[in-house]
Amino acid sequence: KNQVEQSPQSLIILEGKNCTLQCNYTVSPFSNLRWYKQDTGRGPVSLTIMTFSENTKSNGRYTATLDADTKQSSLHITASQLSDSASYICVVRDPNSGYSTLTFGKGTMLLVSP
Amino acid sequence: ETGVTQTPRHLVMGMTNKKSLKCEQHLGHNAMYWYKQSAKKPLELMFVYNFKEQTENNSVPSRFSPECPNSSHLFLHLHTLQPEDSALYLCASSQAHQQGKAFFGQGTRLTVV
Repeated sequence: KNQVEQSPQSLIILEGKNCTLQCNYTVSPFSNLRWYKQDTGRGPVSLTIMTFSENTKSNGRYTATLDADTKQSSLHITASQLSDSASYICVVRDPNSGYSTLTFGKGTMLLVSP
Repeated sequence: ETGVTQTPRHLVMGMTNKKSLKCEQHLGHNAMYWYKQSAKKPLELMFVYNFKEQTENNSVPSRFSPECPNSSHLFLHLHTLQPEDSALYLCASSQAHQQGKAFFGQGTRLTVV
C-alpha cells in the first residue's frame, strides 16, 4: 500500500528562523511529488512540484528537495514569517494506481511565533 | 484565489437535514473532484468527474450524492449525515486525468449535530 509519512507532526519556530519539514514515501512507481501549503480552514495551495528527475525546486523562501533513491523529500523554509503558519502537505503521484493517483501525507502543522 | 469557489464556507446541519455543497470553477478545466479532510487524517478522495461523467465512487456512503451538471459546476448533496461526517469538504478541478495538477477551493467546514 502506498504511504506518505511526514515529520514532524507539528513544529513551533520563532519568526525569522529557518526550518525543514520531511516527507518519506513508499509510492512506486512515482511520477511527481508536490508540496502544498494549507492555511487553517482553507484549501491547499501548491508550493512546488517535482518530477523524479529533479533534485530541488524553489519558490521564493520555500525550497523543496527530492531524493528519489531514498524516497525522501524535504521542504526548507527560510527566514520564516508569521504568515508561514499553516499545514504543509506532501503529495505523491503514482500514475498506475488506478482510481486515485495521489497519496497524501497527514501534513506538518507549522506555527511561527513572534 | 485559485479560481475554484465553494459555498457555503461553513455549514451546521442536523442529522435529519438535507443540504447541498456547491463548487464552481472558472479555469476551463474539465475534471472536478470532491475530497474530505478530517482532523489529523490525510485528504480522502470521494468522487471524480471527467467531462461531467463520474469516473468512480471511492466507496463513499450513499448519504453523499454528487451531481455534476456541467464541467464548471459540482454539487455534493447531503442527507441523514452522521456526526463523524463533520469535516472540511474540498472541491478541486484540473484538466481531465490530471489529478496531480488540481487546484483546490477554500473548502466548506461542515459540522453535523
